Amino acid sequence: KNEVEQSPQNLTAQEGEFITINCSYSVGISALHWLQQHPGGGIVSLFMLSSGKKKHGRLIATINIQEKHSSLHITASHPRDSAVYICAVESGATNKLIFGTGTLLAVQP
Amino acid sequence: NAGVTQTPKFRILKIGQSMTLQCAQDMNHNYMYWYRQDPGMGLKLIYYSVGAGITDKGEVPNGYNVSRSTTEDFPLRLELAAPSQTSVYFCASSPRNRGHQPQHFGDGTRLSIL
Repeated sequence: KNEVEQSPQNLTAQEGEFITINCSYSVGISALHWLQQHPGGGIVSLFMLSSGKKKHGRLIATINIQEKHSSLHITASHPRDSAVYICAVESGATNKLIFGTGTLLAVQP
Repeated sequence: NAGVTQTPKFRILKIGQSMTLQCAQDMNHNYMYWYRQDPGMGLKLIYYSVGAGITDKGEVPNGYNVSRSTTEDFPLRLELAAPSQTSVYFCASSPRNRGHQPQHFGDGTRLSIL
């Protein structure tokens, strides 16, 4: 069993829909990261959180430490949000990350 | 501001050849990492470094070597390339943390071993 599990693996949405991507982990962590990877492109950090909730534009990330679960929400989705969203957990003192396998999101116009 | 720069972007190697993937960052970050990304799998850590002169193995180090002679550069060496090393390689960096810091990624090197 992977230490970081994401669901769903694939998600297709219509433009304007509210989207939720889930991440569960089984190890002790000091922080959780959400990253975005566009097709053929590099990887960009979206959020880093260790408690509560963070918001940036139409993106919201939440974490429940007791339940070892995090969610990434996208409000009013747009085709440009189409990408792979990756959850990663951080443990230890050297900022090393353990990655989930990613959620491929396609937002159709 | 260039951030993390990886070269080359693409490369095809024959089995048994060797090559070095270059990674440079201009943000004065202490921590640097090499990952590989295979289809359907999460990124896996190959090697990491917490500062010049200090490197350590990650989850999948076999078949690779690294060095860190300067803060800026963290090259990854493949000796005797094998088909199993066909992958996309990402280099990343982060500052020594007071608190947690996001990692900054390069654009990746797509490597095929034939």
